[in-house]
Amino acid sequence: GAVVSQHPSWVICKSGTSVKIECRSLDFQATTMFWYRQFPKQSLMLMATSNEGSKATYEQGVEKDKFLINHASLTLSTLTVTSAHPEDSSFYICSARGSQGAGELFFGEGSRLTVL
Amino acid sequence: GQSLEQPSEVTAVEGAIVQINCTYQTSGFYGLSWYQQHDGGAPTFLSYNGLDGLEETGRFSSFLSRSDSYGYLLLQELQMKDSASYFCAAPGTYKYIFGTGTRLKVLA
Repeated sequence: GAVVSQHPSWVICKSGTSVKIECRSLDFQATTMFWYRQFPKQSLMLMATSNEGSKATYEQGVEKDKFLINHASLTLSTLTVTSAHPEDSSFYICSARGSQGAGELFFGEGSRLTVL
Repeated sequence: GQSLEQPSEVTAVEGAIVQINCTYQTSGFYGLSWYQQHDGGAPTFLSYNGLDGLEETGRFSSFLSRSDSYGYLLLQELQMKDSASYFCAAPGTYKYIFGTGTRLKVLA
């Protein structure tokens, strides 16, 4: 099956610093990647949709300047949380949809961010 | 807006059958997917219904009725390892929205 690798799996940072999370599709070309945020015992909230070579489409309420998403190649998308604050602490998960199988997303392992 | 509503929690005993419902309100609906997520892990794909009717994959089955904007996931012969959160989801061209989620507790 298709594999998506995400790292770091967990990160602790100080308030005001920036954190970059990488999401790679290892054995397929991901034309579209979705970034989600998940709080404990809650659902996955779509943050943005990124398409290779174009600007990401952000969901309402998600700050574009705070959550920078770059999808520079068909195998790599990055999420940078800029000037992180404690309220940004969460579980961030990327997923990719390949060229086939419209119904299935392939997920990375997730990144747990803790901002002190 | 788009929304997919699920019961928050379901409890059942080992060996039983449980049904997790999902009612949705979306635009540009293509089909309904289901995912399982254990605590601390990433979601894993279970099934996809692109057409109305029943899809069976081992112990899991999923059903879709577009006319009722409704679907369900059926889990048979429940095992302790099935204790997890289950999400329905609506794939779209530019979005992929998840339901509110159902925590399934399987009791011995």
